Parts: sequence; C-alpha cells; structure tokens
Amino acid sequence: EVQLVQSGAEVKKPGESLKISCKGSGYSFTTYWIGWVRQMPGKGLEWMGIIYPGDSDTRYSPSFQGQVTISADKSISTAYLQWSTLKASDTAMYYCARVVTYDSGGYYALYWGQGTLVTVSS
Amino acid sequence: EIVLTQSPGTLSLSPGERATLSCRASQSVSSRYLAWYQQKPGQAPRLLIYGASSRATGIPDRFSGSGSGTDFTLTISRLEPEDFAVYYCQQYGSSPITFGQGTRLEIK
Repeated sequence: EVQLVQSGAEVKKPGESLKISCKGSGYSFTTYWIGWVRQMPGKGLEWMGIIYPGDSDTRYSPSFQGQVTISADKSISTAYLQWSTLKASDTAMYYCARVVTYDSGGYYALYWGQGTLVTVSS
Repeated sequence: EIVLTQSPGTLSLSPGERATLSCRASQSVSSRYLAWYQQKPGQAPRLLIYGASSRATGIPDRFSGSGSGTDFTLTISRLEPEDFAVYYCQQYGSSPITFGQGTRLEIK
C-alpha cells in the first residue's frame, strides 16, 4: 500500500526557519515524482513544485520559486519542504503528493499525505 | 497561465439527486489534461477523475467526467451522503499547473 506520512503540525514565529517532511512507503521512492501543495486557511489548492527523488531534479511553480526549497533524501525515502525565513502569510496546510507526470511537463496527484499545518504567528 | 473558473460556487442538493459541476478554462486545455479532486473537511484531497473522463481506482461509477477544450463537467449521478464535499478541477496541460477555486456541494 502506498503511504505518504507527513511530519506534525508546527507553530513558528516570523523570521524563523522550518523544514517539514514527507516519508513515502509501499513503493519505489526513487522512481516517482513527489509534489507539494499549499492550502491557505479556508482557501483552495496551489501547486508549489515537484521533485524526482532519484536524481533530485526539482521544478518550482513560478509563484513559489525562490520562496521555498524542495529537497529529498532517497536513502530514507523522505521529501522535504523548507523555508529559510517564515512569514505570517506562510500559515497554511501543506500536503505532499505522489504525482503522475507526463512528457509535456504536466502532472496530477494520485496519492496524498495527510497534511502538515504550519502556523506562523508572533 | 490557464485560469480555471468553477461554477457554481456552492451547490445545494439532496441525497439521490444529480449534481453537475462545471470547470471552464481561460484557454484550451491540451489533450484533455484535466483532473477532478474531492476534499472533505479535515482531509486531504482525493483524486476522482484524470484525463477529463477516466475514473481513478476505487472511485464509484456514479462519478463521471466529460468535456474538452475549455469546458469540462463533473457529474455525480445520484448523490450519496458521503459525496457532500468541496470539488476542485486542475489542469495539467500547460505550465504552470493550476486549480480551480472549488465548488462546495452541500446538503439541501
């Protein structure tokens, strides 16, 4: 069974750094792209970017380029989403998802993690 | 960027009724690369439909997707109590990948 298990909820202050995780199991972690999706409170879904754990090839959505860092450690089947300087506007639920990709560069999410709630408040 | 506009914003129906949700794109979605997701409160989204009309594994056949170009539809033939949720469409035909704003399906 494919499972994506995310790290627990975080409460941080503006200006702090943060790294949240997503551990995959039940499949070959290195051969499927993993993506991250943001959902701000009461709002819709936004793709942030995707990573191929096999070689760490990473593609960011334009709105998130330079704002976050997506990485992966294939030795422990874990993908990460990282902020160096959090802002209050980063408060959101963050989901990881294993995606199905196409040669055109498009993708959709087939399996989802349970989400990690990040709260940034002074 | 392709903007997806979902309508209606909220749909109020009763169990047993038929639901029709619309997703309109600002430009043609190539190769019918359109997916639909269902999200219930406090849960992660779940893939329902990909390729505009292909049901994901385990999705009941009361869910169906149709459309091409700029107009897509998700139809739920007979609503069950567990179908009341928020539904999102997503295009993956061109970058950046974008979602619609969602349609809330509520019990009347």
